[in-house]
Amino acid sequence: KAGVTQTPRYLIKTRGQQVTLSCSPISGHRSVSWYQQTPGQGLQFLFEYFSETQRNKGNFPGRFSGRQFSNSRSEMNVSTLELGDSALYLCASSLGPDRAELYGYTFGSGTRLTVV
Amino acid sequence: GDSVTQMEGPVTLSEEAFLTINCTYTATGYPSLFWYVQYPGEGLQLLLKATKADDKGSNKGFEATYRKETTSFHLEKGSVQVSDSAVYFCALKGSARQLTFGSGTQLTVLP
Repeated sequence: KAGVTQTPRYLIKTRGQQVTLSCSPISGHRSVSWYQQTPGQGLQFLFEYFSETQRNKGNFPGRFSGRQFSNSRSEMNVSTLELGDSALYLCASSLGPDRAELYGYTFGSGTRLTVV
Repeated sequence: GDSVTQMEGPVTLSEEAFLTINCTYTATGYPSLFWYVQYPGEGLQLLLKATKADDKGSNKGFEATYRKETTSFHLEKGSVQVSDSAVYFCALKGSARQLTFGSGTQLTVLP
């Protein structure tokens, strides 16, 4: 079956712009989580969506937002980009937030965002 | 809050050597523990997991045992291959209901 699909794979934006990243989970998975990966901070949790509702949120400023659609696809948006937002953004899907312990999360290949 | 402390890298081994990557954690309650692997240019792949104390997760020759008494989940493999070269992340899912990752350990296996 198809894995987690993230688009685009690479993105270059200018400081001050906004960006939208997309994540399509594995068919049947209803939970989508987003993580930011940087060399300095490592992997940090952004937020998790389940059934179109944000279930959990990490310690990121309000410029980072997300949403989930009825087909479980998710988008995250970053407004007023800063140089420090340059990172690999990873999406992970699971059957549901309470089943991840049993079945784990499946990650996509990520979107590499560069802010110049 | 939840935290994971992982062995600093990079680690360089010769093919067929024994591998240990140390991982300890701090969490309330009974977290689930995971090892993920990341190959260059790719996302994370689940390597193995354990959901309760004394559970042993295993996959592709890798093993890790959930030790609650020492709050550890060390990754081991008896004989590494060049193809095992990657970055390995220890992670937990605890009361915060999200994955908390260690800093990652870069492994390079030389032929």
